Amino acid sequence: EAQVTQNPRYLITVTGKKLTVTCSQNMNHEYMSWYRQDPGLGLRQIYYSMNVEVTDKGDVPEGYKVSRKEKRNFPLILESPSPNQTSLYFCASLAYHTDTQYFGPGTRLTVL
Amino acid sequence: EDQVTQSPEALRLQEGESSSLNCSYTVSGLRGLFWYRQDPGKGPEFLFTLYSAGEEKEKERLKATLTKKESFLHITAPKPEDSATYLCAVQAHGNQGGKLIFGQGTELSVKP
Repeated sequence: EAQVTQNPRYLITVTGKKLTVTCSQNMNHEYMSWYRQDPGLGLRQIYYSMNVEVTDKGDVPEGYKVSRKEKRNFPLILESPSPNQTSLYFCASLAYHTDTQYFGPGTRLTVL
Repeated sequence: EDQVTQSPEALRLQEGESSSLNCSYTVSGLRGLFWYRQDPGKGPEFLFTLYSAGEEKEKERLKATLTKKESFLHITAPKPEDSATYLCAVQAHGNQGGKLIFGQGTELSVKP
């Protein structure tokens, strides 16, 4: 089954404790992206990657890092999380030939 | 600045009562307009892509249309299972490969 998976699905942590949210897709897509979703602000892009070892900033990259060492994986790293990073995070991958972007199930992060 | 505005924010319908959701956009060269459905606690699910004014796409009770300034998602004879948040997003030409700019969504509730 074609899918984007994220782990963990739920995470409660404390300010300053480094964390990683993993994202994996099994569709061999070149393009992957991270979004955060906040009430009243909608979905906003954090970082994206157009292929292995190619990453770039989206609209709200501050406080986040990403890496793309393999085509299927695109982890999101919060080196020193802060309460304003409490949000619902989605990973997505794109099939260029159909323009269809597939989203993962989401990771709900709470930073205390 | 590229922008997407959806209206209404929330819509309550009786089962069988047809209606339309609006997505107004300003973008520097539209590459594509996308409609997604999002159920509570889940990732957005792709519905349609529209590329040019006058284009229409249909899927079951849903029909999406596109003009040069807005898109409509028409829902004909909705059922309770159509209840969800509907998201509209645009992608601009030459815009970072796959970046989507989302509206804030319309929360649809269909009562039996």
